[in-house]
Parts: sequence; C-alpha cells; structure tokens
Amino acid sequence: GAGVSQTPSNKVTEKGKYVELRCDPISGHTALYWYRQSLGQGPEFLIYFQGTGAADDSGLPNDRFFAVRPEGSVSTLKIQRTERGDSAVYLCASSLVGDLSTDTQYFGPGTRLTVL
Amino acid sequence: AQSVTQLGSHVSVSEGALVLLRCNYSSSVPPYLFWYVQYPNQGLQLLLKYTSAATLVKGINGFEAEFKKSETSFHLTKPSAHMSDAAEYFCAVSVNNQGGKLIFGQGTELSVKP
Repeated sequence: GAGVSQTPSNKVTEKGKYVELRCDPISGHTALYWYRQSLGQGPEFLIYFQGTGAADDSGLPNDRFFAVRPEGSVSTLKIQRTERGDSAVYLCASSLVGDLSTDTQYFGPGTRLTVL
Repeated sequence: AQSVTQLGSHVSVSEGALVLLRCNYSSSVPPYLFWYVQYPNQGLQLLLKYTSAATLVKGINGFEAEFKKSETSFHLTKPSAHMSDAAEYFCAVSVNNQGGKLIFGQGTELSVKP
C-alpha cells in the first residue's frame, strides 16, 4: 500500500554535527537509492542498494557520508561533521528489483537538511 | 558516461497551448530515458519512460515523448496545457547495466498562464 516514506521531513543542524536520515521503501522492493537535490538542480545519485549490500556507492561525495541497509528494507543515510554545503533535499527511491527495463523507481517526499 | 541536458530552465505557456520541454542526452550505449514531474512539496513522479521499444512513448496526463537517436533527443510534449501541469520536469538517463542509477538533468520549470 504505502509509498516510500522518509523521516524527518525537515532537519536543521549546526555545522559539525552528525545527522541520520531514514528511508522506508515500498514493501518488497529490493532496490533502494539515495539522491541529493540541491536548490535549482536535478537529483544527484549518491548510492544504490540491492538487498543489504551497496551495489554502487560511486556518488557519495566523501567519507563523511555513509549509508546502511542492514535488513534489506529500511535504510539510513549518515552524515558526519556536517558542512553548510551539505544543505539539500535528500531523496530516497525504491524499485522492485533494480532493472529499469521493467521496474519503476518510486521516490519519497525527501528530507530537507539545513546546516547552519 | 551518460549525461542529460535540458534546454530552458523556465518555460511559460498559455493554457491550451502546446507544451514542449527539450531534453538531449549523451550516452555511449543505448540508453533508457525517463521524464519525471515534481509538483510543489511532493516527490518525483514518473511521467513516462523509453526502454528501447516503441520510439514514441505515451505517459500519464496526456504527455508523450519521442526518442530520436539521430538527434540524441527525448523531448516531452503535450498538445494542450492545463493549469495543473505547472510543475518542475526532469529528464533522466540510465543504462541497464548500472543497476537503475538515474542521471538527471537540471530540470525545467513549467508555468501555465490562464
């Protein structure tokens, strides 16, 4: 029934703090994606999970960013030592098996992160 | 590497007029192409996709797009704009062997005037 959900919807933090952003994919979807959307830009790929493992993390900007999906459903994006440049909307998407010839990626509403 | 260019960050049309949003792609292998729409305070929603079947793809809400390999284009059209079409539109490209990673364009904001 439910779509992709993300919590919190808004997060304000101070420079240098640690934040966690959560994504609940559509039940049964094995593929999960994180994207980042800066103001006035299109979404930018961060990381892709197939089940519990990160199949492609080539979009993570640096080692302050980390994501997990320990049980193959919920995923958490973790950002250490936040910087003002990390301010953006973080989008999560899920799809059934990760094959775009047959699948559709469904996006959540996003978490707006503001680093002061 | 794949990339997408959307020509025109803002497009304004009158209600009832033709909508044309431009997208050009770059890909070294046959691509999959997508158009997503983002309404204010909502998540991205898939309008339509091309995955190497018919080159003219019909989507939701009366939108369609045509894949033109010779022009490396995938422009989005709708014959008659409605006020409810006002939103941000994103073109995206992917290749199947990358596990569904999407590369998005910068987006085109569509305004519809009464």
